[in-house]
Amino acid sequence: NAGVTQTPKFQVLKTGQSMTLQCAQDMNHNSMYWYRQDPGMGLRLIYYSASEGTTDKGEVPNGYNVSRLNKREFSLRLESAAPSQTSVYFCASSNEVKETQYFGPGTRLLVL
Amino acid sequence: GEDVEQSLFLSVREGDSSVINCTYTDSSSTYLYWYKQEPGAGLQLLTYIFSNMDMKQDQRLTVLLNKKDKHLSLRIADTQTGDSAIYFCAENGLTGGGNKLTFGTGTQLKVEL
Repeated sequence: NAGVTQTPKFQVLKTGQSMTLQCAQDMNHNSMYWYRQDPGMGLRLIYYSASEGTTDKGEVPNGYNVSRLNKREFSLRLESAAPSQTSVYFCASSNEVKETQYFGPGTRLLVL
Repeated sequence: GEDVEQSLFLSVREGDSSVINCTYTDSSSTYLYWYKQEPGAGLQLLTYIFSNMDMKQDQRLTVLLNKKDKHLSLRIADTQTGDSAIYFCAENGLTGGGNKLTFGTGTQLKVEL
């Protein structure tokens, strides 16, 4: 099992450009999550999907959209990137909400 | 709202014990977790404790939970250089809609020779 995979690993964008971060899990988990990690701020939840077909806002959803494409895949889209979105983005999955989460390796995004 | 607090840094010498502390505010938590993040990597689940337990031991790791004081600690015995990482505690209380884990800001553990 690969667990949770994320692509790309690194990305540099110019302000105003768009991009989609991809996440996939092979553990047959129902719930998936997107976090951002910034120095001194820990992990902040952007969006989550409790089950296939549902998505909900987390703590910091502004400037992002998500798609739960199927049970395996959960993508995060930045429509118009801003320097404040420079961060490390982590995808995670769990069998059910509030249960143990398993994390991907992260995507490092720099917005110039 | 929910809050999970940790000190930012801890430095220990190789072979000593490390104790990383965490306080939380949500008394409805059913599970509390410790995750480890090595440089450039994602978070790796280290261990977890059910809220009705006081202690859990797993090889070099000991988790202590004081539910009355809402205090969680992680003790690493015989700390090695490979233990250098950021350690996050997390809880799954009902505050915040009960739909997520709430993470602390992380404690950076530095192990010196």
